[in-house]
Amino acid sequence: DTAVSQTPKYLVTQMGNDKSIKCEQNLGHDTMYWYKQDSKKFLKIMFSYNNKELIINETVPNRFSPKSPDKAHLNLHINSLELGDSAVYFCASSQGPSGGTGELFFGEGSRLTVL
Amino acid sequence: AQSVTQLGSHVSVSEGALVLLRCNYSSSVPPYLFWYVQYPNQGLQLLLKYTSAATLVKGINGFEAEFKKSETSFHLTKPSAHMSDAAEYFCAVSGGTSYGKLTFGQGTILTVHP
Repeated sequence: DTAVSQTPKYLVTQMGNDKSIKCEQNLGHDTMYWYKQDSKKFLKIMFSYNNKELIINETVPNRFSPKSPDKAHLNLHINSLELGDSAVYFCASSQGPSGGTGELFFGEGSRLTVL
Repeated sequence: AQSVTQLGSHVSVSEGALVLLRCNYSSSVPPYLFWYVQYPNQGLQLLLKYTSAATLVKGINGFEAEFKKSETSFHLTKPSAHMSDAAEYFCAVSGGTSYGKLTFGQGTILTVHP
């Protein structure tokens, strides 16, 4: 069983479109994240949810809207896609406040290409 | 605020040679430090972590790293490189909070020559 799974793995779309990426974890973790890896492989956190509550919201355009229907799922919706949104988006999870040491478990990534 | 600097974006070694990937960090609180490996078209996988216990940390695949507070370093080493070690390696720091917000370095691509 895949611990952290993301869909789709590849996404090619036109500028101005709206798209979503879904993430699910079966590790029983309380906290989930979205990280963006740009073309230079630089990884930066975008959002974090703990038990469905937003706890980290970095400087991200409000075209990006995360949603967590339950603690095992964290989706990312992107409106009005721009060329600069092309990147690999990684979902990750970790144990929650009760004992976490910051160790993250990553999905395989969703490569978004905006044309 | 936290930051990580990985010295050398590319490191090339021969098979069987020592691997040394450098990482220096900055943190205003006692840090947790991590090394992750990313193989092509895959997600990141944890190699090892330092969480304020032993300063010499052993990880998977024969890798180890030593936390040196005086040098603010957490360099990754492996005595003998294998072809399968070719990948990109990321050093990361967190501030000891429970929310796992990691700050990553820029990554180091390791190439292993036969």
